[in-house]
Amino acid sequence: DAKTTQPPSMDCAEGRAANLPCNHSTISGNEYVYWYRQIHSQGPQYIIHGLKNNETNEMASLIITEDRKSSTLILPHATLRDTAVYYCIVRVLAGNNRKLIWGLGTSLAVNP
Amino acid sequence: GAVVSQHPSRVICKSGTSVKIECRSLDFQATTMFWYRQFPKKSLMLMATSNEGSKATYEQGVEKDKFLINHASLTLSTLTVTSAHPEDSSFYICSASGQGADSLNSLHFGNGTRLTVT
Repeated sequence: DAKTTQPPSMDCAEGRAANLPCNHSTISGNEYVYWYRQIHSQGPQYIIHGLKNNETNEMASLIITEDRKSSTLILPHATLRDTAVYYCIVRVLAGNNRKLIWGLGTSLAVNP
Repeated sequence: GAVVSQHPSRVICKSGTSVKIECRSLDFQATTMFWYRQFPKKSLMLMATSNEGSKATYEQGVEKDKFLINHASLTLSTLTVTSAHPEDSSFYICSASGQGADSLNSLHFGNGTRLTVT
């Protein structure tokens, strides 16, 4: 199972871009990179996912390196409501179910 | 978008009693549901995976007789913590995967249940 490593915490000024890195050097060719976030005492919220191309949606952009060993989640204009723990995970297929292996994530604090 | 409703959001119970947590998919059929627990400042730990109409698959170290999971319909799964003890106090989260879904962004999470055992 591919594992991910993320910095434990980051700070960002409100209105600025937040760039959250993730290393997944053992990712295999058919595994996707997913990003979720968890606001305090709530369930995780899906943000974005990708395989090898960069992706963008209304919440964020995902930049994946060419060798796929790392990626960066970009929140282009962080707000106070973006303060949360951000999880970078890779998809693991186990039988007919899909298991997610969760690390400790990055605790992002957006400051006014 | 798809919504997963988890109830109750908060429960306090006495040691030795049992607590049932419900997880409902409101606008899609959930063929698979996952149950997690999360301790303070820790990550989510998968407890078990259940498919509708079949027995749940428990992760190593999770007691199936203590954490009873029922997934009797495509919209409802329940987790019952039996004979709860203070060490069972935790944040329990369910997630549901829709029928025919292949992309993992079809995995939807409930808002969790904060269980406190006194």
